[in-house]
Amino acid sequence: SQQGEEDPQALSIQEGENATMNCSYKTSINNLQWYRQNSGRGLVHLILIRSNEREKHSGRLRVTLDTSKKSSSLLITASRAADTASYFCATGLDQTGANNLFFGTGTRLTVIP
Amino acid sequence: GAVVSQHPSRVICKSGTSVKIECRSLDFQATTMFWYRQFPKQSLMLMATSNEGSKATYEQGVEKDKFLINHASLTLSTLTVTSAHPEDSSFYICSAGPKETQYFGPGTRLLVL
Repeated sequence: SQQGEEDPQALSIQEGENATMNCSYKTSINNLQWYRQNSGRGLVHLILIRSNEREKHSGRLRVTLDTSKKSSSLLITASRAADTASYFCATGLDQTGANNLFFGTGTRLTVIP
Repeated sequence: GAVVSQHPSRVICKSGTSVKIECRSLDFQATTMFWYRQFPKQSLMLMATSNEGSKATYEQGVEKDKFLINHASLTLSTLTVTSAHPEDSSFYICSAGPKETQYFGPGTRLLVL
């Protein structure tokens, strides 16, 4: 299976703390993306990092990518209650530009006010 | 950002009936759209790639005769679950995007009784 794995599966923190989620994958990739999903709803794209990049920032989000270890991490700083959601990493494999994604197992984040 | 819509958002049907789900890209043309399925508290699994004007590409283990995909225009792909059974009950999500970043529809929750 090309599906990645994320850990932890669930994370509960206090508002204001940082949240770190990790993702591991199995194959060579073109890019890795992080998505957020509120309960029972569609996904929202957060950030994309390409295979030749090592770190990327977007607001309170920081993503790292280590292609030698086939792993990525998502850091959310100064968390808020509104950050409560499930977070998925997804890998884009195809060098030709096809955009199908293979999703990790997800981390359910709960931020306690 | 780009918008992808899905219809219906929720459907309940009797076992043995067929259900059609529509996915539309509202402000861009999509030669390729993707269909995913998500079971409760699980990740998204890619089912198939919908190709405008040609046959869909199905992932391993997905029955093409059961999940019929039609991509008749650059803004519309349909997924028909034929002869639905209770085990087909799931959350079906489509995505499309002009580049690697995918925009996801809000999802269709299917319940087969």
